Amino acid sequence: ETGVTQSPTHLIKTRGQQVTLRCSSQSGHNTVSWYQQALGQGPQFIFQYYREEENGRGNFPPRFSGLQFPNYSSELNVNALELDDSALYLCASSSGLAGGAEQFFGPGTRLTVL
Amino acid sequence: DQQVKQNSPSLSVQEGRISILNCDYTNSMFDYFLWYKKYPAEGPTFLISISSIKDKNEDGRFTVFLNKSAKHLSLHIVPSQPGDSAVYFCAASSLFNAGGTSYGKLTFGQGTILTVHP
Repeated sequence: ETGVTQSPTHLIKTRGQQVTLRCSSQSGHNTVSWYQQALGQGPQFIFQYYREEENGRGNFPPRFSGLQFPNYSSELNVNALELDDSALYLCASSSGLAGGAEQFFGPGTRLTVL
Repeated sequence: DQQVKQNSPSLSVQEGRISILNCDYTNSMFDYFLWYKKYPAEGPTFLISISSIKDKNEDGRFTVFLNKSAKHLSLHIVPSQPGDSAVYFCAASSLFNAGGTSYGKLTFGQGTILTVHP
């Protein structure tokens, strides 16, 4: 069974640039959620994808967008990067909508915005 | 609006003793609670969970207790081992409905750094 993988591991960008982060879900999981973890904080929910559609979103602006592909892998895109976007971005997969199920996390992508 | 709170930023325990990590929540709609452990440079690893219809769940050295009336849960680790040293996150979950669709999300606390000394 393959776990959740994310790429790249680390990324450095400058303000105003755009970034794409990638996630492969765990085998058998059809739901992917993205979280942002700032230093010293717990992960914060960005959005969730189920059957290739965004079906839930946290308190993040529209410049945070995503995609889910037929194989259930997913991308997180962030436009017009700001300094505060520097964080660890975590992808989590689950089977179903995860209201009462565990979500399994990848190792994360560390994004630094200069 | 911090709906899930872990009020102790850190906890230090001697090897072999009990570690007790605490978590409080405010949203009564939460119906599923989870604990995750996180090592540096890794994603959170699922540890144990409990449904709101139960008050205790046990898995080996790990036990989670839920007090719904107090909106409080705790994780007990007995006996504690040096390999347990990590950041522990409490998370709460519920199915939300928005625009006709349902989705589930995890709401995390800020985390507690557990250090187990040999």
